[in-house]
Amino acid sequence: QTVVTQEPSFSVSPGGTVTLTCGMNSGSVSTSFYPSWYQQTPGQPPRTLIYNTNTRSSGVPDRFSGSILGNKAALTITGAQADDESDYYCLLHFDTVWVFGGGTKLTVL
Amino acid sequence: QEQMVESGGGVVQPGRSLRLSCAASGFTFSSHGMHWVRQAPGKGLEWVAVIWYDGSNKYYRDSVKGRFTVSRDNSKNTLYLQMNSLRADDTGVYYCARAGGGNAIHYWGQGTLVTVSS
Repeated sequence: QTVVTQEPSFSVSPGGTVTLTCGMNSGSVSTSFYPSWYQQTPGQPPRTLIYNTNTRSSGVPDRFSGSILGNKAALTITGAQADDESDYYCLLHFDTVWVFGGGTKLTVL
Repeated sequence: QEQMVESGGGVVQPGRSLRLSCAASGFTFSSHGMHWVRQAPGKGLEWVAVIWYDGSNKYYRDSVKGRFTVSRDNSKNTLYLQMNSLRADDTGVYYCARAGGGNAIHYWGQGTLVTVSS
């Protein structure tokens, strides 16, 4: 059973840059797994940020970017703002199933 | 503007059944695959099932195989999730979500809460 791993929590200062990662318990994440990223605030449905590794969804500011760093997918937020404080989830596609990471709770302070 | 509205959630006893519906509008429903994603209270997102745009293929997470069935009626722009033999760990908010490019989920409904409890 593939487990998709994310940092449980992360902290960034306002205006700072943070990179969240998405890995697997076995093997490396590559573009072949079509990594995507989602933002969720309490009580709200998720919002799609990034798909196909590095394509921003409509309306997503360009301070959000996606990439592959080493053996993981990565979401970088440049110039963090207070309203970026949210939970962030990655999603990987494995042929006929999709698997979410456990999520990263990002604090902006 | 894409919109998906889930319904059918509620409180149900373990072992019983429930059918969720998702009414879609603002896009060509019959051209898109659709997912169900759930979230237990205070927990992360969990992918549940997907159905191809024409219903030709359906895939499930292991824990719901044989108990849940995803289907769609493209003439009614509606997605369904039939949930049988419900267990306490099926409790959560169930989101209907539209598939898109890059094998990703592009749009999300507001969700409907399912509580499995005696």
